[in-house]
This record gives sequence, structure tokens and C-alpha cells, in this order.
Amino acid sequence: QQQVKQSPQSLIVQKGGISIINCAYENTAFDYFPWYQQFPGKGPALLIAIRPDVSEKKEGRFTISFNKSAKQFSLHIMDSQPGDSATYFCAASSKSGSARQLTFGSGTQLTVLP
Amino acid sequence: ETGVTQSPTHLIKTRGQQVTLRCSSQSGHNTVSWYQQALGQGPQFIFQYYREEENGRGNFPPRFSGLQFPNYSSELNVNALELDDSALYLCASSPAPENYGYTFGSGTRLTVV
Repeated sequence: QQQVKQSPQSLIVQKGGISIINCAYENTAFDYFPWYQQFPGKGPALLIAIRPDVSEKKEGRFTISFNKSAKQFSLHIMDSQPGDSATYFCAASSKSGSARQLTFGSGTQLTVLP
Repeated sequence: ETGVTQSPTHLIKTRGQQVTLRCSSQSGHNTVSWYQQALGQGPQFIFQYYREEENGRGNFPPRFSGLQFPNYSSELNVNALELDDSALYLCASSPAPENYGYTFGSGTRLTVV
């Protein structure tokens, strides 16, 4: 059962444009929502994260918007650059026993055209 | 400060065989988690190790097992390999089991033929 749904599957944006990726979740036990960036041949790297008591978080060109009542959150990349071309994953964190686990979305392949 | 290192980077095995993947955690991190990432999919949680014991597990069968050593490094063992086990296996370390932040390694690409 997919607990975090991510869209779109792929996204093409012109350099300088805004990239928007959306995620929705079902499990109200999730209490931390990170976004990861993954380049080919590499593991995911943490980009930015938010807790559900905050509606927006901005770090440089990256912003997370969070809507707790709708169980949705999104990543906005402002002034997108060719170097941002990568696969982006939203994730949600929950406790599993005494461990903490991440449930990932299916990913969005972003291509930024020069 | 070294990051998370995994070995080998690539591996080809035959269906029914057994495989062991290795992970060295980031300096100062005592907790290791393993994830399976099928092609075109997001990573899925396999299990987490802390103090040399499994302290959390995802929806994976018992033929997926692990170990953690006193230096916090870890192994993932998969028995009776199936074709669907072909994936990128990611190791992630964190300073504590309840910590929100992970550092991922670059993974081991396993192909089962």
C-alpha cells in the first residue's frame, strides 16, 4: 500500500522557471516530512524538511508548503537551474517500534533545460 | 568526517543464491538502516539496527536479515535470491535511532539473473 503519493512522475522546466512537485499522505502518524534529491548512481541527499506544525519553510531557492488538514505538501524550486536536474523524492517519517523509518513517494524526475 | 560507504558497488547473483552487502556508517553515527530501491521507485524501509540488534522492520520476509558490529558497521544478508530482489540497496546512518536525519550511502546495485 502506497502511503505517500507523489506527482508528477516527470517534469521539464526552462532555466529560471519554477518547479513544483506535490505529495499527499494518508497516515496521520507521520510527523516529519523531508525532501530528498538523488542524482544517478548516488544515494538520496536531504534537501529540506518540515514538521507538521509549520505551514511553510524556505531555504534558499527551495520552499516546502505544508497543508496539514489536506494531508498534502509540496516542494517549490525557484529559479530552476540545469544543475537541479535530478530525481526528487518526498518522504514521511514515522516510528516503527523503537526505530524511525521513512516512507518515500515514487519520485519525480526533473529536467531543467538550459 | 567520512560519509556512509557501501560495498560492493555492483553485484550480479543467480536466483537461489545468497548475498551479503556491507555498510560503514558515518563517523559518530551508531544507527544503521537499510532500504531497497527498485528501478524507478522510491526507497523502501527494510530494517534498522541499533546496539547490534534489529529495532524496527518493514514489510520484508525473514530471508532478509542483518547484522551490526561493535564499530557500528552493518551487513545486509539476503537468502534464496529472487529475480524481484534486483534493486539498489541503500544504507543510511544516523546519530540515534529516533533521529530524524539520515545520511545515505551511494548504494549497492544488485542484479539477480
